[in-house]
Amino acid sequence: EVQLVESGGVVVQPGGSLRLSCAASGFTFDDYTMHWVRQAPGKGLEWVSLISWDGGSTYYADSVKGRFTISRDNSKNSLYLQMNSLRTEDTALYYCAKGHSSALGSPFDYWGQGTLVTVSS
Amino acid sequence: DIQMTQSPSSLSASVGDRVTITCRASQGISNYLAWYQQKPGKVPKLLIYAASTLQSGVPSRFSGSGSGTDFTLTISSLQPEDVATYYCQKYNSAPITFGQGTRLEIK
Repeated sequence: EVQLVESGGVVVQPGGSLRLSCAASGFTFDDYTMHWVRQAPGKGLEWVSLISWDGGSTYYADSVKGRFTISRDNSKNSLYLQMNSLRTEDTALYYCAKGHSSALGSPFDYWGQGTLVTVSS
Repeated sequence: DIQMTQSPSSLSASVGDRVTITCRASQGISNYLAWYQQKPGKVPKLLIYAASTLQSGVPSRFSGSGSGTDFTLTISSLQPEDVATYYCQKYNSAPITFGQGTRLEIK
């Protein structure tokens, strides 16, 4: 059974930093592209970032480019999101999502339960 | 960047009704289009990908069609458990974009 378990969400002040983690199990982690997606309270889905199966390619939404860094450790079946210079508008539930294949362009077939990041003074 | 526009934003229909949601891309995306269902308080679920391929385990009353810029999600006979917000997504290249969502309620 595929499982994605996010952690690391807390309340942080504007300008602060945070590292989210996603522990994956139930599939061959290094065969798949992985993503972070966020959802602000009462709002829609916003894609944040993706990383290729080998970590060699990364992409970001304009809203987080230069502030967030995605990474993965295939030996630990883990995905990460380093978040710096946090803003109040980064407040959201952050989901880890698995790509349907190793292709960068593939839909998201499994999602974690999410971890809540609140940016507030 | 390619924008995805869904219509309507909200929809109320009766059990047994045929329901259609549309999604328009600002540029052609071939068939790199997925549909997700998010029930209240739950995680998004993949329903359809490649515009018309049903994800494993999804009821056959759900179907998708379209190519290029115009796509539709159809529920052939609405059931009470279909109450949810539905999102389209283009995934051919970054940035990946979602539509704004369509909230579906039972009348």
